Amino acid sequence: SAVISQKPSRDICQRGTSLTIQCQVDSQVTMMFWYRQQPGQSLTLIATANQGSEATYESGFVIDKFPISRPNLTFSTLTVSNMSPEDSSIYLCSVDLTAMGIQYFGAGTRLSVL
Amino acid sequence: DAKTTQPNSMESNEEEPVHLPCNHSTISGTDYIHWYRQLPSQGPEYVIHGLTSNVNNRMASLAIAEDRKSSTLILHRATLRDAAVYYCILPPFGTYKYIFGTGTRLKVLA
Repeated sequence: SAVISQKPSRDICQRGTSLTIQCQVDSQVTMMFWYRQQPGQSLTLIATANQGSEATYESGFVIDKFPISRPNLTFSTLTVSNMSPEDSSIYLCSVDLTAMGIQYFGAGTRLSVL
Repeated sequence: DAKTTQPNSMESNEEEPVHLPCNHSTISGTDYIHWYRQLPSQGPEYVIHGLTSNVNNRMASLAIAEDRKSSTLILHRATLRDAAVYYCILPPFGTYKYIFGTGTRLKVLA
């Protein structure tokens, strides 16, 4: 398994601002993923972030709204831009350590937008 | 992508076995069956996965139907710490994309 740290664990933000969420892993991984979990809902994949390439976004998510950086094999950031109350969710990162499709998740960042 | 169907909720008494079903009638021959659970205020946690044969690990057992159109996660002795939402996921071979359904919320009664 892996230790995955997300920062911040929670935040309250004003509409129109941006928040950058960090995901740090204690081992080198190629594949990292970002998910959103809206209140009372299941998880939805936002994008796949592989080191050395541009992030691949899922339908309904765009780079201008959710820019992602992946500067090395242990770190990634997700920015939620120009926030609105509809962006209030838990944002989670995950990694695939084994290249076998088994993912390990961080505890998530709980975001509230006022 | 294969779709999964799970009951919305289930209840179990503490220290009794729990059988959590998942239907995946459109599964392809190369799709692995993964089970995760999400405890309150935590990210999902890997439980078990398999392809065709039944699988056991320290957390649970996975029983896969012969036609692979359904599977059952078995918790042999439920504890209060097992109260969580359990997800059955079939990532398409080679893509590693997880599509989370609604999952089954397991309530364990003391």
